[in-house]
Amino acid sequence: AQRVTQPEKLLSVFKGAPVELKCNYSYSGSPELFWYVQYSRQRLQLLLRHISRESIKGFTADLNKGETSFHLKKPFAQEEDSAMYYCRSGTYKYIFGTGTRLKVLA
Amino acid sequence: DTEVTQTPKHLVMGMTNKKSLKCEQHMGHRAMYWYKQKAKKPPELMFVYSYEKLSINESVPSRFSPECPNSSLLNLHLHALQPEDSALYLCASSQEGDREQFFGPGTRLTVL
Repeated sequence: AQRVTQPEKLLSVFKGAPVELKCNYSYSGSPELFWYVQYSRQRLQLLLRHISRESIKGFTADLNKGETSFHLKKPFAQEEDSAMYYCRSGTYKYIFGTGTRLKVLA
Repeated sequence: DTEVTQTPKHLVMGMTNKKSLKCEQHMGHRAMYWYKQKAKKPPELMFVYSYEKLSINESVPSRFSPECPNSSLLNLHLHALQPEDSALYLCASSQEGDREQFFGPGTRLTVL
């Protein structure tokens, strides 16, 4: 069965520390993966998609087919990064991971 | 207009009521989606419309009835809901064939 796994429900880091939000996928075929972010009281919005290889708000994510991972990284966390982050598959099932709440502490 | 809008923002209904949720986009997207999101859970796909035709129904109970009257509008008709149907209902749209979805702010539904 297709699955997207985010092992951490909550990740707390101090401001200025590096951040890594983990995402692993398990399905066959060419993966197409996304990171979405949901700030408090705001709509779900796209942060990154693996095919664009962009850096948005300092975040990057690399698709690692060997490890079936698509981890989200940022070298220096900021307080405004505090939000809920979802990894999502791009198959027709549009499966979201369970999400990781990132808290950046002052 | 680059947003997906949803109305109403909040809805409280009894188990015998009939109500509708509305979603609108003017980005020319030909794929539209309904999701259900319970508190502290990820969105769960309910329905997918492609070119105004229902293409995916994720085994949703018949008390939820989607409708796509034109390429810009998506409705979700609700009838005889249960309290466990209380949730945030999200609408999204995308270009056909593109997996990047644009989400609306959601309608928070409470069933009494």
